[in-house]
Amino acid sequence: SQTIHQWPATLVQPVGSPLSLECTVEGTSNPNLYWYRQAAGRGLQLLFYSVGIGQISSEVPQNLSASRPQDRQFILSSKKLLLSDSGFYLCAWSRVYSGNTIYFGEGSWLTVV
Amino acid sequence: GESVGLHLPTLSVQEGDNSIINCAYSNSASDYFIWYKQESGKGPQFIIDIRSNMDKRQGQRVTVLLNKTVKHLSLQIAATQPGDSAVYFCAETDAQKLVFGQGTRLTINP
Repeated sequence: SQTIHQWPATLVQPVGSPLSLECTVEGTSNPNLYWYRQAAGRGLQLLFYSVGIGQISSEVPQNLSASRPQDRQFILSSKKLLLSDSGFYLCAWSRVYSGNTIYFGEGSWLTVV
Repeated sequence: GESVGLHLPTLSVQEGDNSIINCAYSNSASDYFIWYKQESGKGPQFIIDIRSNMDKRQGQRVTVLLNKTVKHLSLQIAATQPGDSAVYFCAETDAQKLVFGQGTRLTINP
């Protein structure tokens, strides 16, 4: 069966510090990968998606970047965090874009102070 | 479409009653819809899905109804239990990605 892991689960970072959230998927090959952000009590916003190694699409202008160095690894990064980057970050995967379910990881809580 | 900046609407039901959560979608070309359940502090979990060539699909204690004429989706939960307390999101496919609705917080009264 397929599993998705992301870490760390919780982190508190000062403004201006770098960020690296990691996500890996097991049990499947060539998945589509996604990073979503969710502000407290809000809906889900798609930040990035990737259809293959090195292929990243950005959905919204922001202070964050994503990379996919391996088939089942997806990384969310920032060089300098802003207060507005605080939120709940979710990694997700699917087999193809349309017509298939997206499965989510457990999420990472980021608080920028 | 996405409503990521809005506060979540809330639905309160008595334990044992049926719950109906509604969702309006925007893209008439969407052909696949999913309901997710998100418990506090966790990632969303898949509940049930439906394709546009269907108008109803049933799972265990859950039913999804699709009305393409008015672009409306609903999730019915039978005999609501305390463990059903969560935020429920509908999602529609938009060619290249999944677009989420704003979500509804379901609370259960004992």
